[in-house]
Amino acid sequence: DAGVTQSPTHLIKTRGQQVTLRCSPKSGHDTVSWYQQALGQGPQFIFQYYEEEERQRGNFPDRFSGHQFPNYSSELNVNALLLGDSALYLCASSLDGANTGELFFGEGSRLTVL
Amino acid sequence: AQSVSQHNHHVILSEAASLELGCNYSYGGTVNLFWYVQYPGQHLQLLLKYFSGDPLVKGIKGFEAEFIKSKFSFNLRKPSVQWSDTAEYFCAVRVSGGSYIPTFGRGTSLIVHP
Repeated sequence: DAGVTQSPTHLIKTRGQQVTLRCSPKSGHDTVSWYQQALGQGPQFIFQYYEEEERQRGNFPDRFSGHQFPNYSSELNVNALLLGDSALYLCASSLDGANTGELFFGEGSRLTVL
Repeated sequence: AQSVSQHNHHVILSEAASLELGCNYSYGGTVNLFWYVQYPGQHLQLLLKYFSGDPLVKGIKGFEAEFIKSKFSFNLRKPSVQWSDTAEYFCAVRVSGGSYIPTFGRGTSLIVHP
């Protein structure tokens, strides 16, 4: 049973560039949430996608955008990168309606902005 | 909005010592509570959760947590830690029901010396 997979695992960008991160949810899951985890901090919620639409959004600027595809996979895009965007970006999947509250996380994409 | 505080950021113990990690949340309504663990080099995974019923919940690997509503707390405990318990531990809270998003604390880094 495939878990949550994310790509790339590591990447380095410079300020002002744009980045796209990808996530494939756990088999059978239809909901994808994205989190940003800065060094020494807990995961901060960016947004959640369900049925190919952004359903909820955290306190992140419009530079952060996303997409969900019909196969439930998802992308996170960040434009005009800032040094402060350096972090581990986590994708978490879940099954809407199950109400277990449990999120299944990938290992993350570590972004370094120089 | 709900928030979570984890007061112990770094904990160092010897094997066989007892463990208690603090977690307090702020939200006046009904909540679901979670502890997640991240072992070195691995993804975040659920350790245990509380939805309702017995306020003492048991999770994997001998961990347990007690929900004390009057104190808005959900402390994690283990009577005797092992070297393999070395990890980051995150407490999370979400508003009960629906598709509410969990809010994570900043985490506690636990190091267990053999």
